[in-house]
Amino acid sequence: DTAVSQTPKYLVTQMGNDKSIKCEQNLGHDTMYWYKQDSKKFLKIMFSYNNKELIINETVPNRFSPKSPDKAHLNLHINSLELGDSAVYFCASSQQPSGNTGELFFGEGSRLTVL
Amino acid sequence: GDSVTQMEGPVTLSEEAFLTINCTYTATGYPSLFWYVQYPGEGLQLLLKATKADDKGSNKGFEATYRKETTSFHLEKGSVQVSDSAVYFCALRKTGGFKTIFGAGTRLFVKA
Repeated sequence: DTAVSQTPKYLVTQMGNDKSIKCEQNLGHDTMYWYKQDSKKFLKIMFSYNNKELIINETVPNRFSPKSPDKAHLNLHINSLELGDSAVYFCASSQQPSGNTGELFFGEGSRLTVL
Repeated sequence: GDSVTQMEGPVTLSEEAFLTINCTYTATGYPSLFWYVQYPGEGLQLLLKATKADDKGSNKGFEATYRKETTSFHLEKGSVQVSDSAVYFCALRKTGGFKTIFGAGTRLFVKA
């Protein structure tokens, strides 16, 4: 069983389209994240949810909207896609509460290409 | 703000060579420190961690020691293999915090 799974793995789409990426974790973790990795492998956190509550919302265009229907799922919807949105998007999860080191468990990534 | 700086890559080594990837951090308080590894086409996975000063994390022949006096967490391996070729990320996280801060990553190529 894959611990953190995200779909789709590859996404090729035209500028201006809307797309979604889904993530599920079966680790029983309280906290989930979306990270963006650019072509130089730099990782930037976008959002984090803890028990379905948004707790991290970095400087991300409001075309990006996360949704967490329950603590095992975190989806990312992107409106009006732009060329600069091309990247690999990683979902991750970790266990809180305070005192735990909070190591991250990552999915395999979703490679988004905007043409 | 908190930050992680690691040596720029790529690092190219021959098989069985000694590896060091430098990592220094800036943070208030006492963060936990991590090394994550990303193999080609995969997500990141935890390689090792240390939670307090002088702790040594180790896994798969890799080691790193949490040095508070030099704010460093350098990654070492005595004899690298071709299968170690990957991108290595140093990271920190405040205890109880929600945000993990990553360095820029160091790509390692190991030649047979």
